[in-house]
Amino acid sequence: NAGVTQTPKFRVLKTGQSMTLLCAQDMNHEYMYWYRQDPGMGLRLIHYSVGEGTTAKGEVPDGYNVSRLKKQNFLLGLESAAPSQTSVYFCASRGLAGIYNEQFFGPGTRLTVL
Amino acid sequence: GEDVEQSLFLSVREGDSSVINCTYTDSSSTYLYWYKQEPGAGLQLLTYIFSNMDMKQDQRLTVLLNKKDKHLSLRIADTQTGDSAIYFCAVITHGSGNTGKLIFGQGTTLQVKP
Repeated sequence: NAGVTQTPKFRVLKTGQSMTLLCAQDMNHEYMYWYRQDPGMGLRLIHYSVGEGTTAKGEVPDGYNVSRLKKQNFLLGLESAAPSQTSVYFCASRGLAGIYNEQFFGPGTRLTVL
Repeated sequence: GEDVEQSLFLSVREGDSSVINCTYTDSSSTYLYWYKQEPGAGLQLLTYIFSNMDMKQDQRLTVLLNKKDKHLSLRIADTQTGDSAIYFCAVITHGSGNTGKLIFGQGTTLQVKP
């Protein structure tokens, strides 16, 4: 099993450009999450999904959109990138079972917006 | 909402014990976790504790939970240079329902000097 994978690993955008980050998991997990990590601020939840075809807003959703058309994929879109969106983005997934609700994380995407 | 706080930096000598502290505000927190992030990588679950436990030991790791003071700590015995990483405290509260949303602290960077 590959676990949780993220594409791309690095990206540099200019202000106003758009892009999509792809998260894929092969563990048949129901729940998927997108976080951003900024220095001194920990991880903050952007959007999440509790199943195929569902999405919901997290703590910092402004400027981002998401889609979960297939159970194994969770896409994060930036329609018009801003320098404030420079960050490291992590995707995570979690199954329905699991007594301790462990989230499995991808390796991250480092995004720089100039 | 829930707030989780950690100190940002801890430096220890190899072979010493490390203690990383975390405080949280929501007394309904049900599961409390410690994640480890090595440089350039995603987060990996180190250990967890249920809110009805006071202590959990797992090899070199000891987790202590003081529910009265809403304080969680992670002790690493015989700290090694390979333990150098960022350690995140994270909690799930009763208010998260079935979404499994994690609230993260800012992360504590552990530096282990040889």
